[in-house]
Amino acid sequence: EAGVVQSPRYKIIEKKQPVAFWCNPISGHNTLYWYRQNLGQGPELLIRYENEEAVDDSQLPKDRFSAERLKGVDSTLKIQPAELGDSAVYLCASSSRSGGSADTQYFGPGTRLTVL
Amino acid sequence: GENVEQHPSTLSVQEGDSAVIKCTYSDSASNYFPWYKQELGKRPQLIIDIRSNVGEKKDQRIAVTLNKTAKHFSLHITETQPEDSAVYFCAATRGSNYQLIWGAGTKLIIKP
Repeated sequence: EAGVVQSPRYKIIEKKQPVAFWCNPISGHNTLYWYRQNLGQGPELLIRYENEEAVDDSQLPKDRFSAERLKGVDSTLKIQPAELGDSAVYLCASSSRSGGSADTQYFGPGTRLTVL
Repeated sequence: GENVEQHPSTLSVQEGDSAVIKCTYSDSASNYFPWYKQELGKRPQLIIDIRSNVGEKKDQRIAVTLNKTAKHFSLHITETQPEDSAVYFCAATRGSNYQLIWGAGTKLIIKP
């Protein structure tokens, strides 16, 4: 079974430029998460999707960040414009909810973003 | 708000000895507690998890204990090996929306 796929793995951009990250979750997983992980810290949830619906985006900085999961499978996270403080690893995770309880989240390899 | 505290931030143990990492949580509705291992530059990987209806779970050299009354849970690694060196994160669900609240991580160093 293929794991969570993310691209690109690394991205270096100038501040004020746009950037986009792509995630393909594990087949059959209806829940998809985008996290940001700063160096030396735990992952911080940005947005969670149940199928194509964003059910928790309370921590997404909506002035510059946007996300979509149009067909309930792949997802894209965009930053426009990027700021220096956005440098981090952006992790995508997926899970298969069942029985009304939390399920294991499987992470992708992440995209390491450097904003210069 | 919901908070997960993790201690210690760094733990150095001799190879072969045991390591214990502790976490406390604040939301009494939390019902799922996973532990993730993250090696440098790699993705977090689940190593063990426990649900609120269970007090202890073991998987070979790894075990997790949960004390719901005290709101704390611990990771135990026995007979530590060099490949156990990594950062370990605990997490707890936030109420009923299945969001995970993460601890700050523990850097485990196994000394040869």
